[in-house]
Amino acid sequence: NAGVTQTPKFQVLKTGQSMTLQCAQDMNHEYMSWYRQDPGMGLRLIHYSVGAGITDQGEVPNGYNVSRSTTEDFPLRLLSAAPSQTSVYFCASSETPGTGLTGELFFGEGSRLTVL
Amino acid sequence: GDSVTQMEGPVTLSEEAFLTINCTYTATGYPSLFWYVQYPGEGLQLLLKATKADDKGSNKGFEATYRKETTSFHLEKGSVQVSDSAVYFCALSASGGTSYGKLTFGQGTILTVHP
Repeated sequence: NAGVTQTPKFQVLKTGQSMTLQCAQDMNHEYMSWYRQDPGMGLRLIHYSVGAGITDQGEVPNGYNVSRSTTEDFPLRLLSAAPSQTSVYFCASSETPGTGLTGELFFGEGSRLTVL
Repeated sequence: GDSVTQMEGPVTLSEEAFLTINCTYTATGYPSLFWYVQYPGEGLQLLLKATKADDKGSNKGFEATYRKETTSFHLEKGSVQVSDSAVYFCALSASGGTSYGKLTFGQGTILTVHP
């Protein structure tokens, strides 16, 4: 019962460094997404993917890149970290569109990133 | 665009008190509505959901009714426990294929229950 797995759980970066947050799901979900959680602002969508090879921008995409080479994996890349990217990041997946389902998301446990 | 507004927190209650967390939304069409809960140090878990007007979602003693006429989805529980202390998020999933799976979240409400 792994569900959605994120690594690392904690990371500290210096301004300008790059890193990748990993996300994997074992539920054969087509839809995957990345959110960031900031105090008083709820969760905001960064990027999403509706299937392997297809990605698109969400509400706050600047400073982040994604790719989706397999159904299982959806990494989030920070190319040049900035203090404004200090946040908790959540990966989520959803069941296959078109099956009459409601769009419920399944979340990973989160990755807490601090940029100094 | 779509939006979700939750009551301001934090909310502090004594055990066995009645809980209401207000949630209103703005969306076109017929969205699905959700309440997610986040326990300390964990990710979000679905608490309950409703997919059409007048549906009532329920789970673990929590309830919420989809009220299209007032565009609301208020969360209620008759008797809270210390273990209910968490952050609660109201969210919607807009209708339509291009919106599938993209949730719009409220800002979250911190609930603390004291013994």
